[in-house]
Amino acid sequence: NAGVTQTPKFQVLKTGQSMTLQCAQDMNHEYMSWYRQDPGMGLRLIHYSVGAGITDQGEVPNGYNVSRSTTEDFPLRLLSAAPSQTSVYFCASRTGQAWNTEAFFGQGTRLTVV
Amino acid sequence: AQSVAQPEDQVNVAEGNPLTVKCTYSVSGNPYLFWYVQYPNRGLQFLLKYITGDNLVKGSYGFEAEFNKSQTSFHLKKPSALVSDSALYFCAVRDVPYTAGNMLTFGGGTRLMVKP
Repeated sequence: NAGVTQTPKFQVLKTGQSMTLQCAQDMNHEYMSWYRQDPGMGLRLIHYSVGAGITDQGEVPNGYNVSRSTTEDFPLRLLSAAPSQTSVYFCASRTGQAWNTEAFFGQGTRLTVV
Repeated sequence: AQSVAQPEDQVNVAEGNPLTVKCTYSVSGNPYLFWYVQYPNRGLQFLLKYITGDNLVKGSYGFEAEFNKSQTSFHLKKPSALVSDSALYFCAVRDVPYTAGNMLTFGGGTRLMVKP
């Protein structure tokens, strides 16, 4: 029972490099989302998806792209990494069958951009 | 727009004493409120939620939270703190049906330190 799996757990990038953070869930959840966690700012929503083929922007989408080709996977792409994107990234999922369901989170990816 | 405030960056409490972690919220519609806990180098774990009904909600690890509509608060409480409760706690709200994609908005987090 894996839940939400994120890879990698740690990553160091140089400014200008691109990379993809992977997220997969095995709970058949419709809703998936990406957050970044910065000290004192809680978690801020980057992008989200309410189902395969449907994505939308959250609070801080600039510099990130997402796609949702399957129910299970929701990768986050950094197009050209910047030091301001140094953060801890969390993927979350939940069922969309009710308004009141809680989200399940992955273990996080700690990204450093130098 | 919805928002969540956790006014304390850190709460210190002695083991065995009661603890309270404060949370206030602002929404346009009906709030669905959540508490999550984050242990070092781990993801967020769900503790409890308020949807409707009884204002006192009981959750995991002996935690409970009290919903107060007039004060727009949802404070997390535990009658007797344990050293193992030391962690980062997040309050979150979902403002139905106004939130884009019905995603969560989080507070800034409160670090709970329980000393032996």
